Amino acid sequence: AQRVTQPEKLLSVFKGAPVELKCNYSYSGSPELFWYVQYSRQRLQLLLRHISRESIKGFTADLNKGETSFHLKKPFAQEEDSAMYYCALSGMDSSYKLIFGSGTRLLVRP
Amino acid sequence: DAGITQSPRYKITETGRQVTLMCHQTWSHSYMFWYRQDLGHGLRLIYYSAAADITDKGEVPDGYVVSRSKTENFPLTLESATRSQTSVYFCASSRIMTEYTGELFFGEGSRLTVL
Repeated sequence: AQRVTQPEKLLSVFKGAPVELKCNYSYSGSPELFWYVQYSRQRLQLLLRHISRESIKGFTADLNKGETSFHLKKPFAQEEDSAMYYCALSGMDSSYKLIFGSGTRLLVRP
Repeated sequence: DAGITQSPRYKITETGRQVTLMCHQTWSHSYMFWYRQDLGHGLRLIYYSAAADITDKGEVPDGYVVSRSKTENFPLTLESATRSQTSVYFCASSRIMTEYTGELFFGEGSRLTVL
């Protein structure tokens, strides 16, 4: 079964601290992984996708097929990073429909 | 600015009533989706549509009906609302669905409360 697991419902860090939002997946084929973000009073939007190997707003994520993980990292958290983060998976097995995890709320304290 | 809009943004209804949530997009995207967002469950796909007159079930379709007579509209109907359908509903669209996509464009959401 295709599944995305985000084990932390809430992650609270201080400004300037490193951040790692965990995402593990279960998928039989070759998945595409994404991180979506929802800032307060804003729409859910794509943050980054693994195929692009990009860094957006200082965030990076590496697909580890051996550990079936796609953790989101940032070396120095900023207050404006506070938001709800969703990991999502897509692939041929799901007809490329996005399957989302349960989300992690990141709170960056001053 | 072109975009994707949902209406109503907030709705309170009673058990057993029919409710329709509207979704309209101006990009002429082929694919449209309805998700519900619940604490602890994240976003779960209700229904999706690959084109006008083509719809298919997602993870949690029971109790919902969709139609897509025009590319730009994708209404979601709760034929007989239940309390378990209290949720925030998100409509989304995408130009294509292949291994190179994954970017869905979301509406602002419709918060539905069923009393």
